[in-house]
Amino acid sequence: AQTVTQSQPEMSVQEAETVTLSCTYDTSESNYYLFWYKQPPSRQMILVIRQEAYKQQNATENRFSVNFQKAAKSFSLKISDSQLGDTAMYFCAFMKPVGNQFYFGTGTSLTVIP
Amino acid sequence: EAQVTQNPRYLITVTGKKLTVTCSQNMNHEYMSWYRQDPGLGLRQIYYSMNVEVTDKGDVPEGYKVSRKEKRNFPLILESPSPNQTSLYFCASRSDTEAFFGQGTRLTVV
Repeated sequence: AQTVTQSQPEMSVQEAETVTLSCTYDTSESNYYLFWYKQPPSRQMILVIRQEAYKQQNATENRFSVNFQKAAKSFSLKISDSQLGDTAMYFCAFMKPVGNQFYFGTGTSLTVIP
Repeated sequence: EAQVTQNPRYLITVTGKKLTVTCSQNMNHEYMSWYRQDPGLGLRQIYYSMNVEVTDKGDVPEGYKVSRKEKRNFPLILESPSPNQTSLYFCASRSDTEAFFGQGTRLTVV
C-alpha cells in the first residue's frame, strides 16, 4: 500500500523568506503523480504543483518549486519570497495514473509572519 | 469551466436524521470519490466510483453509502448520522493526471 508522510505538522516563515515543506512517500510503482495542494481558511483544495514520476526535471510554478528525489521517495515543496497569502494548510498527495489510488499526507500548517 | 460542485457547504443535523450531500462534475470524468478530512489525519477516502453503477469502499466506509446512477453525479448518503461523522467532506473527480475537488461540506452532527 502507498503511504504519504509529512513530518512537519506546523511551520512558520517570515514574509519574503524561503521555506521548504517535506514529504516522503512509499510505493512500489514506477509511474505515478505527486502533488502539493494548498488549503487556505476557505477550505478549498487548490492545486499548487504537480510532478510526474517519469520526468526527472523538477516542476516549478512561479514562486513554488519541488525537489523530487525518486530514489529516495522524497518530494519537498519550496516556497520562495513567502507572502501572507501563502498562510494555509499544505497537503502532499500521491496518485497512480489509473484506478482509485489517491493518498494524502496529514498536512503541514504554514504561517507566514509579517 | 471545469468544476466539481458539492452542496450544501455547511450542515448541522441531529443524530439519526438521514442526510445526503450532493456532488456533481462537468468534466465527464469516470472516476469520482469522497473524502473526509479530520485534524491530524489528512484526507481519507470514504468511497470511490470508477464509472456509472460501479462503486467500492475506500478506507473509512462505515456509516456511509453512495450511488452513481449518472456519470456526473455522486451523492454521499448518511443513513443514520452519528457525532463521530462530524467532519469536513470533499468530493473529487479525477482524470488520469489530476484530481479536482469540490468546495467542501462542513458537517456537524449533534
